[in-house]
Amino acid sequence: EAGVTQSPTHLIKTRGQQATLRCSPISGHTSVYWYQQALGLGLQFLLWYDEGEERNRGNFPPRFSGRQFPNYSSELNVNALELEDSALYLCASSPSGTDTQYFGPGTRLTVL
Amino acid sequence: GEDVEQSLFLSVREGDSSVINCTYTDSSSTYLYWYKQEPGAGLQLLTYIFSNMDMKQDQRLTVLLNKKDKHLSLRIADTQTGDSAIYFCAENRGYQKVTFGTGTKLQVIP
Repeated sequence: EAGVTQSPTHLIKTRGQQATLRCSPISGHTSVYWYQQALGLGLQFLLWYDEGEERNRGNFPPRFSGRQFPNYSSELNVNALELEDSALYLCASSPSGTDTQYFGPGTRLTVL
Repeated sequence: GEDVEQSLFLSVREGDSSVINCTYTDSSSTYLYWYKQEPGAGLQLLTYIFSNMDMKQDQRLTVLLNKKDKHLSLRIADTQTGDSAIYFCAENRGYQKVTFGTGTKLQVIP
């Protein structure tokens, strides 16, 4: 069974640009979660999507947004990039009705 | 407080046991998890324990839960160099609100 996949592996942008990160959940999982892991810091919860709807949101500004598609894959968009947005962005998925999350390998975003 | 707390660093010799500790915050948390993160990689779910259990054993891993003190520990028996990683504990506060600790970096000395 394939795990959670994320693309791209690495992404380099400059300040003010927009970044789009993608995530495909494990087959059969309907919930997708996004986390930010800045260097030397723990995981900060960003967003939770389930059945195409945003269900919960962490303490991040509105320029962090996303969506979930009918096939349950998800995109995270970060607008007006700032240097401090440089981090590893992790996506996780879980089956409907359960809370145990399975993580992808992450996308390393570098903002120059 | 809101934080799930872990010590930042642990160093052990190969073959010894490692014990990684975690203090969580919400006594009503239903599940508690341990994840492993190797350099540059995502998080791998190692094990989890229901809040109504005191202990769970899975091969070299033993999880102990003290609900009264809100203390969770992960013991790795016969620690190997491949166990070197950052270990995160996490608590599920319900409604998919999973809060992660800051992570403990385990260094295994050959």
